Formats: sequence, C-alpha cells, structure tokens
Amino acid sequence: QKEVEQNSGPLSVPEGAIASLNCTYSDRGSQSFFWYRQYSGKSPELIMSIYSNGDKEDGRFTAQLNKASQYVSLLIRDSQPSDSATYLCAVNMRGSYIPTFGRGTSLIVHP
Amino acid sequence: SAVISQKPSRDICQRGTSLTIQCQVDSQVTMMFWYRQQPGQSLTLIATANQGSEATYESGFVIDKFPISRPNLTFSTLTVSNMSPEDSSIYLCSVEFTGEGYTFGSGTRLTVV
Repeated sequence: QKEVEQNSGPLSVPEGAIASLNCTYSDRGSQSFFWYRQYSGKSPELIMSIYSNGDKEDGRFTAQLNKASQYVSLLIRDSQPSDSATYLCAVNMRGSYIPTFGRGTSLIVHP
Repeated sequence: SAVISQKPSRDICQRGTSLTIQCQVDSQVTMMFWYRQQPGQSLTLIATANQGSEATYESGFVIDKFPISRPNLTFSTLTVSNMSPEDSSIYLCSVEFTGEGYTFGSGTRLTVV
C-alpha cells in the first residue's frame, strides 16, 4: 500500500513564528511532490510543488525535499493567523501521474 | 491555472435518490478527476474521466454507483446514485495542467438523510 503520512495536528504556533509541517511517503521512486492549503469549508489550493532534492522558496513558504529519507516538509515563515488551515501533502508515486494525498495537518496560528 | 465551476455547492438529499454534480472548466483538458473527501479524511480518488472513453474507477468505486459523463473537453458530471447516509461527503472535481499541479472545483457538500 503506497502511503503518504502526515501528523494530523493541530500544530499551534504563535503569530510571527516559523511553522514546520512534515510529510513522509512510502514509495522511494516518487517523483513529484505538492503542498496544498485547505481552509475550512473550501477546496484545496496548490501552494508549492517540488521535484528535486533541496529547498524551494516562494515568498514566506519553503518546501524541502529529501528523497533519500523519503520526506518532504513545508516551512511557513512569519506565520499569520490567515495561514490557519489544513495543509495537505500530495505525492505522485512512481509510474503514476495521479497524486496520493495525505490526511493533512491542521495549523493554527494564534495572535 | 484553470478555473473550475462546480455545482451544486451543497445539497441535502433523501436516501435512495440520486444527485448529479457538474464541473465546467474554462480550458480544454484531457483528463478530469473526481475525488471524495469525508470529514477528517484525506482526498480519495473516485475515478478519472477522459473525453470519449469510459471513466477509470479506483478500487472500491463502481460505475453503477458513481456514473460519470465526459461529453467534451471542458465538462464532466458525477452522479451519486441510490444514496445512503454513508455517501455524505464533499465531492470535488479536479484538473491538472502539466507542471502546475492540480486545480480543484469549489466542491459539493452532500448530506444524505
């Protein structure tokens, strides 16, 4: 069973702090990795994609990929209350163009 | 990225009835995807819909229960048939553009009573 695992949380951080969200996956041959943000009652929206080892930065967001250890993480710098949402990790397993989603981590940024 | 219009946004249905959910995309796409998201759960793929061919269903989902139409490259419907309370969920359509990840419709929140 090919899986994507996330801690369901909630992860609670104070405003202005760095939020660190982690995701592990079972298929070593996975090629594409995505982070989605889902506000309560809304549909997921893509915030980051990463395909190669290392860091990828986009504004306050940094995705980190370590294929050898089979984890991908999302760092949110200067967290804001508006970042409070569920963050879904999605992974395209080897040979599949369709992502497998984790259950998501609930993030709460408190003032 | 694509813009997807999905409707209805929510509905409350009687058990034993059927509901058809529609998704319209503002660009032509080869594949459209239908997901279900139950409370506190991850997104589960129901089926992949290609224009001009039968939809491909994931394990645990069957055409008789979830018939899908894909009459052209911008439109698809998912029907939830003979509903029971266990079908209460959020249903989402999605499309993918190479290198851009997936874009989701706004979702249909279905409650079966």
